[in-house]
Amino acid sequence: ETGVTQSPTHLIKTRGQQVTLRCSSQSGHNTVSWYQQALGQGPQFIFQYYREEENGRGNFPPRFSGLQFPNYSSELNVNALELDDSALYLCASSRILGEQYFGPGTRLTVT
Amino acid sequence: DAKTTQPNSMESNEEEPVHLPCNHSTISGTDYIHWYRQLPSQGPEYVIHGLTSNVNNRMASLAIAEDRKSSTLILHRATLRDAAVYYCILRVLVNAGGTSYGKLTFGQGTILTVHP
Repeated sequence: ETGVTQSPTHLIKTRGQQVTLRCSSQSGHNTVSWYQQALGQGPQFIFQYYREEENGRGNFPPRFSGLQFPNYSSELNVNALELDDSALYLCASSRILGEQYFGPGTRLTVT
Repeated sequence: DAKTTQPNSMESNEEEPVHLPCNHSTISGTDYIHWYRQLPSQGPEYVIHGLTSNVNNRMASLAIAEDRKSSTLILHRATLRDAAVYYCILRVLVNAGGTSYGKLTFGQGTILTVHP
């Protein structure tokens, strides 16, 4: 059984740019959740996708958006990057209402 | 958001049991108690979850108080590989336009140090 994978591992962007992060779900999972984890903090829920629709969102502005594809893989897009967006971005896949399985994360640095 | 309270840090010796406490006094009837842990430089890892009854799996045991306002994660024999941040989370059921989803709200967690 293949676990959750994320790409890229690390990324450096400049303030104002846009970024796309990718996540491949674990086999058999139809739900993907995205989290932002600042250094020394617990992960913060961004949003969740189920069957290609966003069905839940945390306290993040609209410049954070996402997609889920028919094979349940997912993208997180962040527009107009700010310095405070520097963080570890985690995706987690699950069956709906099931326990979540996390990927290793993408470390984003905004300069 | 549903809130849990955990000690900032705990220490244990290798091969000894570890009891990680969590308070969740505002828990509601449909909230599941979930535990995840995060090893250095990795994403969080699911450990165990429960609703009312105590639960056991290959990784740990979860003891839930009768009033559900507290719980304890038990690692029966700590190893050096168990050194991690342990998060106690209430999984809240959120109804969102026809579908429901389980929302996890992570706190600061407990940093567990295991001494050889």
